[in-house]
Amino acid sequence: GNSVTQMEGPVTLSEEAFLTINCTYTATGYPSLFWYVQYPGEGLQLLLKATKADDKGSNKGFEATYRKETTSFHLEKGSVQVSDSAVYFCALSDGFYGNNRLAFGKGNQVVVIP
Amino acid sequence: EADIYQTPRYLVIGTGKKITLECSQTMGHDKMYWYQQDPGMELHLIHYSYGVNSTEKGDLSSESTVSRIRTEHFPLTLESARPSHTSQYLCASGETGAGELFFGEGSRLTVL
Repeated sequence: GNSVTQMEGPVTLSEEAFLTINCTYTATGYPSLFWYVQYPGEGLQLLLKATKADDKGSNKGFEATYRKETTSFHLEKGSVQVSDSAVYFCALSDGFYGNNRLAFGKGNQVVVIP
Repeated sequence: EADIYQTPRYLVIGTGKKITLECSQTMGHDKMYWYQQDPGMELHLIHYSYGVNSTEKGDLSSESTVSRIRTEHFPLTLESARPSHTSQYLCASGETGAGELFFGEGSRLTVL
């Protein structure tokens, strides 16, 4: 079945540092890929998405490229701010079948220190 | 901005009580979902619905039940709450085929 694997453990970094969160996936068919963000005390919000191979999703300075050859969708940001502290989830949807069922990774807590 | 609402945001109740978590969306989405989020942040799908009068159990077994009498409304009910039900419950909705889900802000349930 479809699954998403995120790197283990929280990520702690200083303001203006470079952020990378790794995400790899296993899927049949042609999934769409997503990054969701959850700020403290809130629900999840869509951060960015990519629907086909080589697409790059971007939003708020974050980027991720859909790499079919490495089955990856790593999230990057060049210069993080304290306000980027949140939990980040990678997810995939086999949207071809129209069921919207998302397979989520376990999430990564990101803490940005001033 | 997503228009999906959950109430209550926070609820503390005693063991054995019946509770209903409300979820409503104004986007006309056919598909709605309930996720349980454990303290380790991981999300588990417990119920979903593809339209009115359609409900299915998700990947994680849950003692809760759901109903879908109206497109916009997808409440979750626990007939007899227990401490093991303490968790955050997230409701979501989406359009057919779009893949993207819109989430409510969550209901944090504590059962004493």
